[in-house]
Amino acid sequence: QVQLVESGGALVKPGGSLRLSCEASGFTFSDHYMSWIRQAPGKGLEWVSYISGRTGNIYYADSVKGRFTISRDNAKNSLYLQMNSLRAEDTAVYYCAREYGSGIVDFWGQGTLVTVSS
Amino acid sequence: EIVLTQSPATLSLSPGERATLSCRASQSVSSFLAWYQQKPGQAPRLLIYDASNRATGIPARFSGSGSGTDFTLTISSLEPEDFAVYYCQQRSNWRTFGQGTKVEIK
Repeated sequence: QVQLVESGGALVKPGGSLRLSCEASGFTFSDHYMSWIRQAPGKGLEWVSYISGRTGNIYYADSVKGRFTISRDNAKNSLYLQMNSLRAEDTAVYYCAREYGSGIVDFWGQGTLVTVSS
Repeated sequence: EIVLTQSPATLSLSPGERATLSCRASQSVSSFLAWYQQKPGQAPRLLIYDASNRATGIPARFSGSGSGTDFTLTISSLEPEDFAVYYCQQRSNWRTFGQGTKVEIK
């Protein structure tokens, strides 16, 4: 069965960096777009970034452009999010998400909490 | 950026009642609209994609309709497990979510 397991969430100071990881299993990882989607405490959902399966097409939300970098290693069935220059407003649960086609999330990880605070 | 506006913000209904949720886009998204359900402490779950297609394993009481800028998610008869927050999401231009509609027990 499809499994997405995130790790790397932590408490970090403003201006700091963090790298999130997502280990995928139960499907052919390279066949799918993958995304990071976040949810601030008590708030709605925000798409952060996505990356295509093989061609490496990448898009970012304006709110993270220039600070966050998405990447994947298809040999390791893993997705990553490098987050630099973190701000208080980046505090959220970050979900790793598998896409069906492009732009439809059919599987979600359980989420990892990133807290940016001094 | 395409803005999705969901209404109402909160819907108070009893089990067995019909729920009608609305999602309006700031510009046409064709049929590239999905609906998700989220319960407290859980990740969202895909219900409907491309406006009217039920995802795998989703009960028939959930249905979606609409195209262009106006979309509706209908739950024909609410079950106790349906009380949750529902989000619409478009993939026509980048990807954005609506702000959510909470369906609560009356």
